[in-house]
Amino acid sequence: RKEVEQDPGPFNVPEGATVAFNCTYSNSASQSFFWYRQDCRKEPKLLMSVYSSGNEDGRFTAQLNRASQYISLLIRDSKLSDSATYLCVVNGPDNQGGKLIFGQGTELSVKP
Amino acid sequence: DAGVIQSPRHEVTEMGQEVTLRCKPISGHNSLFWYRQTMMRGLELLIYFNNNVPIDDSGMPEDRFSAKMPNASFSTLKIQPSEPRDSAVYFCASSHLPQGAYDYGYTFGSGTRLTVV
Repeated sequence: RKEVEQDPGPFNVPEGATVAFNCTYSNSASQSFFWYRQDCRKEPKLLMSVYSSGNEDGRFTAQLNRASQYISLLIRDSKLSDSATYLCVVNGPDNQGGKLIFGQGTELSVKP
Repeated sequence: DAGVIQSPRHEVTEMGQEVTLRCKPISGHNSLFWYRQTMMRGLELLIYFNNNVPIDDSGMPEDRFSAKMPNASFSTLKIQPSEPRDSAVYFCASSHLPQGAYDYGYTFGSGTRLTVV
């Protein structure tokens, strides 16, 4: 089983739609969770951290379910500019050294 | 803040040649990470350093790959000899201490797009 698994997509949605991505992780002891965004031919950039109680940043909502070991990202009122690959990130199994494990990413394409 | 600086942005080289990729982390960050990204394998961690010391190089694919961090502001990733299957985008990232990575994630450089022909 991969350490971090995501549906690669692509998710093709119209502008204004709500879209949700899920991600599962294998290490039940993981404590740090993030969503990164990567535009085509660019570097990954931090979108948001994921907290145990869930957190929201504008149109973006992140949720964590420790019992089922999955993380979700909800995007409301999708914009054309949201088109990108979204990477789920979890800390490495040894919980030392700052190692983060990246999922393969979920591709989102928002159409007019 | 200049961010993480990588050079060169693009590198095209012939099989068998030595390739050196360079990274300057954000000033004050003392953890540095080298990743490789391909369509097939996604982002793979190659090696990382804390306070200039290599912590885990288990992701380095072969002995042809080596990395150094001689001081807090500079790191290199070297491939010798290079092969076509090394073609990928190589990213460098940095963070404050190990805990900074867990609290705030990493900041990535713009990457080096390597093509070995």
